Amino acid sequence: AQTVTQSQPEMSVQEAETVTLSCTYDTSENNYYLFWYKQPPSRQMILVIRQEAYKQQNATENRFSVNFQKAAKSFSLKISDSQLGDTAMYFCAFIHLTGKLIFGQGTTLQVKP
Amino acid sequence: DTGVSQDPRHKITKRGQNVTFRCDPISEHNRLYWYRQTLGQGPEFLTYFQNEAQLEKSRLLSDRFSAERPKGSFSTLEIQRTEQGDSAMYLCASSWTSGNVGNEQFFGPGTRLTVL
Repeated sequence: AQTVTQSQPEMSVQEAETVTLSCTYDTSENNYYLFWYKQPPSRQMILVIRQEAYKQQNATENRFSVNFQKAAKSFSLKISDSQLGDTAMYFCAFIHLTGKLIFGQGTTLQVKP
Repeated sequence: DTGVSQDPRHKITKRGQNVTFRCDPISEHNRLYWYRQTLGQGPEFLTYFQNEAQLEKSRLLSDRFSAERPKGSFSTLEIQRTEQGDSAMYLCASSWTSGNVGNEQFFGPGTRLTVL
């Protein structure tokens, strides 16, 4: 069975600094996708970034980038130049071959002014 | 607004009552997913539809839960004889999938259920 683990329940960062959120996963599949979703307080979940496992190049979306280590089954999210609006719960997720998402427990990120 | 919508946003009910939630996906999306999220946890998969066909149900979905997507558009999730353990946020998501399951799932705002 696929599992996703986020070992950091809470993190904080000063505005304009960089923070890295960790995620590890377990799967026997070779082709899959990984996601980071953001859930702001009382607001709906939105996609931050997506990584295709067969692509060696790490995905980047503006201030957000990932460090994808397939052999280690590690998928961390780096947020550069943190902004107050980045305060949210962040979920790492793996997509099963049927299409359902398997989420980690989440990391609550607080950006401090 | 052409995003995923859910109704109601909040529902408070007494134990033993039946409740029904509705999800309207993005109109061109053929897949619709239901997830359940308890406080401080990640969402857990419940069930999903491709068009009107329900293709998978989680073992979390007991016999008291039923979901439908009658015309391949909106979906309903019904919980019969609610229990306090059913209290959670119920999330709906939709996506377009034509073989590539890695497409983004768009989430609705959720329905928060409180069972007293």
